[in-house]
Amino acid sequence: GENVEQHPSTLSVQEGDSAVIKCTYSDSASNYFPWYKQELGKRPQLIIDIRSNVGEKKDQRIAVTLNKTAKHFSLHITETQPEDSAVYFCAASKGDGGFKTIFGAGTRLFVKA
Amino acid sequence: GAVVSQHPSWVICKSGTSVKIECRSLDFQATTMFWYRQFPKQSLMLMATSNEGSKATYEQGVEKDKFLINHASLTLSTLTVTSAHPEDSSFYICSARDLRGGSTEAFFGQGTRLTVV
Repeated sequence: GENVEQHPSTLSVQEGDSAVIKCTYSDSASNYFPWYKQELGKRPQLIIDIRSNVGEKKDQRIAVTLNKTAKHFSLHITETQPEDSAVYFCAASKGDGGFKTIFGAGTRLFVKA
Repeated sequence: GAVVSQHPSWVICKSGTSVKIECRSLDFQATTMFWYRQFPKQSLMLMATSNEGSKATYEQGVEKDKFLINHASLTLSTLTVTSAHPEDSSFYICSARDLRGGSTEAFFGQGTRLTVV
């Protein structure tokens, strides 16, 4: 089955700096890659997603890139703010699996003011 | 976005008893629902996938007789933890999709924190 690896597990940046989180997936048939932000004790919130027919997507300070050949995808957050501090999960899913979503291990992001 | 409501948000039960958790899609029809378990400071581990009107598909290592899943309607799925033990204490969270129309986004419930004493 699908396996998603995520690095780093913890990331600490200064306010205003950029943060990058990287993921790899194992199933080449995966075609949908969402990123979630989860605050302590709360539900995951979708922050951005990308489909396999697109190499890059941007939404204000957040961007995601996908390299299908290498089976890598990354989240980029620019101009980080303290409120960006949370746990971020990458995930992968595919249509013929009913789009069941397999999550990476998570990255705990700390943005220092 | 669409709303998924999960109930209860927290529950404490005695060892050996059963607990039912409900997951409802409030403003859309969920053709597929997923149940996850999340231990502290860990990722969401998929337990099972349920499609309305059919049996759930369990992930490897998840006991189907212990974690009973029912998806009887397009707006409700339930997870029953039978004969709960302290090691079942965790954060259980559901997500729902309406795969008709090509939608891929999953919407999560707020989660249920289960503590077995």
